[in-house]
Amino acid sequence: QKEVEQNSGPLSVPEGAIASLNCTYSDRGSQSFFWYRQYSGKSPELIMSIYSNGDKEDGRFTAQLNKASQYVSLLIRDSQPSDSATYLCAVNIGRTGFQKLVFGTGTRLLVSP
Amino acid sequence: NAGVTQTPKFRILKIGQSMTLQCTQDMNHNYMYWYRQDPGMGLKLIYYSVGAGITDKGEVPNGYNVSRSTTEDFPLRLELAAPSQTSVYFCASSRRTGDEKLFFGSGTQLSVL
Repeated sequence: QKEVEQNSGPLSVPEGAIASLNCTYSDRGSQSFFWYRQYSGKSPELIMSIYSNGDKEDGRFTAQLNKASQYVSLLIRDSQPSDSATYLCAVNIGRTGFQKLVFGTGTRLLVSP
Repeated sequence: NAGVTQTPKFRILKIGQSMTLQCTQDMNHNYMYWYRQDPGMGLKLIYYSVGAGITDKGEVPNGYNVSRSTTEDFPLRLELAAPSQTSVYFCASSRRTGDEKLFFGSGTQLSVL
């Protein structure tokens, strides 16, 4: 079982719709979860972090975490064509010493005008 | 602030050649990382460093070497390049391990032919 799994997509949504991106992870002890956005040919950039069960909202973005189900998701409301990118889920593996950030393979999102 | 600077941006190597990918950061971060990103495969950790003089292997260290003589610089050395090392390489830094945001460089696209 992969440590962090994502559907590679592409996920296609029309402009103005809600995009829902999902991620599952294998390590039950993981405490920190991140969503990075990566435009084609660019480096990843952090858009959301979440540490507790429930929802965390930042503008049009909402991260959702369910540790019991080992599931983290990212909702993008009012999707814009500029949101078209690959979204990488990253999970912090390790409880002591160096904590390794493990990335999923990413979900490609396409927002059509 | 420049952040994390990587050079070169592109490079083509012949099989068996060697080269060094340069990485420098001006944020006084203790933690530095080298990742490789293959198409559709996510980011894999090659090596990391927790401070000057201290380095350790990540998930995919074979064929690579690193050094960390200063806080700012973390070069990655490829010895005897192989086609399997064709990838995009990202250097990153963070203030501390685990919960901190990773700051990425712009990447180096390397082809080994």
